[in-house]
Amino acid sequence: SAVISQKPSRDICQRGTSLTIQCQVDSQVTMMFWYRQQPGQSLTLIATANQGSEATYESGFVIDKFPISRPNLTFSTLTVSNMSPEDSSIYLCSVMGLLTYEQYFGPGTRLTVT
Amino acid sequence: KNEVEQSPQNLTAQEGEFITINCSYSVGISALHWLQQHPGGGIVSLFMLSSGKKKHGRLIATINIQEKHSSLHITASHPRDSAVYICAAIIQGAQKLVFGQGTRLTINP
Repeated sequence: SAVISQKPSRDICQRGTSLTIQCQVDSQVTMMFWYRQQPGQSLTLIATANQGSEATYESGFVIDKFPISRPNLTFSTLTVSNMSPEDSSIYLCSVMGLLTYEQYFGPGTRLTVT
Repeated sequence: KNEVEQSPQNLTAQEGEFITINCSYSVGISALHWLQQHPGGGIVSLFMLSSGKKKHGRLIATINIQEKHSSLHITASHPRDSAVYICAAIIQGAQKLVFGQGTRLTINP
């Protein structure tokens, strides 16, 4: 199993600013993902965080808006840049076992942009 | 059309009722998760299936690979089962999850 922590758990930010969300896993994992969950919606994959290389972004998400770092196998950050109220969502970090497909989610970061 | 479709979107039942949530998918998958999300946002994986049936307490999950269909059943439902249940498929060859729309389940005492 894997235990995931995220910081901050919630934040209220002004439009035009940026917020960096941290994700820490208690064990080394290969597959790490960032998701967005807009109010009342299901989860949408933003990107796969790759260790030592650029993240792989899904359609509709770009590096300039959501830069991701993954310096090692236990840590990643997601930055939400130049925020607007439409970015108000829960952002979740998740890991998946490469061969087992087991899935673990962080507690999420609830972001409100005013 | 979404690759993973879930029904119903909302379900309200009385305590003790038998609950079924359905999930259909249109692509090849490596495995399928049933996830539970309580108010406050925390998500846990209840089951991961690639074939057959799994049971944990009052929860049962089944999958039919040929028909591309999975179901989550809750027996003797209880108000603490109230949550959003999400079906999520691991796309074959892609190593990533695709999510259904979720089912908001409310169990009234």
